[in-house]
Amino acid sequence: DTGVSQDPRHKITKRGQNVTFRCDPISEHNRLYWYRQTLGQGPEFLTYFQNEAQLEKSRLLSDRFSAERPKGSFSTLEIQRTEQGDSAMYLCASSLGGGGTMSEAFFGQGTRLTVV
Amino acid sequence: AQSVTQLGSHVSVSEGALVLLRCNYSSSVPPYLFWYVQYPNQGLQLLLKYTSAATLVKGINGFEAEFKKSETSFHLTKPSAHMSDAAEYFCAVRYGGATNKLIFGTGTLLAVQP
Repeated sequence: DTGVSQDPRHKITKRGQNVTFRCDPISEHNRLYWYRQTLGQGPEFLTYFQNEAQLEKSRLLSDRFSAERPKGSFSTLEIQRTEQGDSAMYLCASSLGGGGTMSEAFFGQGTRLTVV
Repeated sequence: AQSVTQLGSHVSVSEGALVLLRCNYSSSVPPYLFWYVQYPNQGLQLLLKYTSAATLVKGINGFEAEFKKSETSFHLTKPSAHMSDAAEYFCAVRYGGATNKLIFGTGTLLAVQP
């Protein structure tokens, strides 16, 4: 396994268009996270899945954002009607957890979104 | 509210000098603590983590951090900086219970001068 994989690495879109990003976690990891990072800031939590269940969503995740993890493996993050403020690096992370255990989160290289 | 504070958005050291990057967290309950490094246009790589075992934690690339409950701090140090250490460093906390998310500081950009 080569780690967490994100596709695409870069995306330029026009304002108002929809975009979808994909994340493939480390294969045995049951937990998957999406974060957003803007220039000069640390990553901010967006949402969290345990297997296929979306267990937590940040207030940052407006109605235009939707995330899925249909079979508990890969995940997609869709942004509808993109705005310039959506320009950021979108990071995916995965970890193995449950039963009182906590392992560290492994991050992908991110998808950099530019809305023009 | 849970938060992480990193003092100094930019730190510059000479090659071979001590590296000290500061991190303070807000909580009366010791959380899990992490330091991540990020190189330009890359994701985050874990340097080290504190999970309530030893208070002095050793990580990769010669970095270590000490958990001090009385000071609510988890500062990152390296005795001798190398040019390849130039990157952005993020401190993060994860609190126990149902919350699994990481809360990150705003980061410290480390420059290493020859």
